[in-house]
Amino acid sequence: GNSVTQMEGPVTLSEEAFLTINCTYTATGYPSLFWYVQYPGEGLQLLLKATKADDKGSNKGFEATYRKETTSFHLEKGSVQVSDSAVYFCALKDSQGAQKLVFGQGTRLTINP
Amino acid sequence: ETGVTQTPRHLVMGMTNKKSLKCEQHLGHNAMYWYKQSAKKPLELMFVYSLEERVENNSVPSRFSPECPNSSHLFLHLHTLQPEDSALYLCASSQGTGFYEQYFGPGTRLTVT
Repeated sequence: GNSVTQMEGPVTLSEEAFLTINCTYTATGYPSLFWYVQYPGEGLQLLLKATKADDKGSNKGFEATYRKETTSFHLEKGSVQVSDSAVYFCALKDSQGAQKLVFGQGTRLTINP
Repeated sequence: ETGVTQTPRHLVMGMTNKKSLKCEQHLGHNAMYWYKQSAKKPLELMFVYSLEERVENNSVPSRFSPECPNSSHLFLHLHTLQPEDSALYLCASSQGTGFYEQYFGPGTRLTVT
């Protein structure tokens, strides 16, 4: 079945550091890929998405490129801020069959000033 | 109110209690979802409602009983829960289940004692 694997957290960085959170997936067909973010005390918010191979999703300085050859969708940001502290979830939506999101386990990110 | 709201935000209940979680969406969507978020586990989809009909039930125990009286409201009725049911319960909505952009509420933190 479909699955998403994220790098284990927690991840702690200093402000202005470069961020990478790895995400790989297993899916049939051609899934759409997403990153969701959950700030403390809030629900999940869609951060960015990519619907086909080689697409790059971007938002708020974050980027992720859909790599079909490596089945990956790593999240990157060149210079993180304290306000980026949150839990980040990678997810996929299969292009066939059940129309539902499959989430990774989440990666907690803490940015220190 | 805007977006997706959930009440209560926190709930503590005994194993013999009966309680209900409420979700309301103000986005004009026609699909609603219940998810369970447990520590160190991927987000688990519990139920999906589309146009007020239940379209998915992911082998959830019968002690969880969903109700969708209209496209704006979703309930999760709880009875005789177990301590392992303690988790954050998230509600989400979308415009059709085929659309992938789900909007999440802030969740209800449930503790079963």
